[in-house]
Amino acid sequence: DTAVSQTPKYLVTQMGNDKSIKCEQNLGHDTMYWYKQDSKKFLKIMFSYNNKELIINETVPNRFSPKSPDKAHLNLHINSLELGDSAVYFCASSQEARAEAFFGQGTRLTVV
Amino acid sequence: GESVGLHLPTLSVQEGDNSIINCAYSNSASDYFIWYKQESGKGPQFIIDIRSNMDKRQGQRVTVLLNKTVKHLSLQIAATQPGDSAVYFCAEKYYGNNRLAFGKGNQVVVIP
Repeated sequence: DTAVSQTPKYLVTQMGNDKSIKCEQNLGHDTMYWYKQDSKKFLKIMFSYNNKELIINETVPNRFSPKSPDKAHLNLHINSLELGDSAVYFCASSQEARAEAFFGQGTRLTVV
Repeated sequence: GESVGLHLPTLSVQEGDNSIINCAYSNSASDYFIWYKQESGKGPQFIIDIRSNMDKRQGQRVTVLLNKTVKHLSLQIAATQPGDSAVYFCAEKYYGNNRLAFGKGNQVVVIP
């Protein structure tokens, strides 16, 4: 069983469209994250949720809106996609107060 | 050898030799310092962590050293194997808000 699963794995879309990426974890963790990895491999934290509540919202355009229907899911909705949004997006989860985080396989978003 | 340029810093190491990857961190309030390994096409994978009140921790073939005086973290890999070829990231976790932030990656290339 996959611990943290993201869908879709690949997403190609046109500028201006709205898209969503889904994430689910079956580890019973309290905390979930979204990261953006650019072409230089830099992993930038975007959001963190703890028990369905938004804890961290880094400097991310408000076109990005995370939604956590329950603590096992953290979806990422992106409005009005721009070319600069092209990247690999990773979802992760961890148990509160534990160092180890588990990552999904990533979603490669390409905006054309 | 090691090179830094427009691309990721890259460490080329002969199979069987030891590798040392270095990282400078910024947040002295972090509770844990962590190393992750990212293989091509996959999400980051936890390797080892060290609490902020320790200076050394050993795992299987890996050792992490923490120098809080100069805010420096290193990962030593003993008897490097081809499967160790990957991008390695250091990360910090702060329990106050569960923020898990990543440093820049270092590419390790193992030469058979």
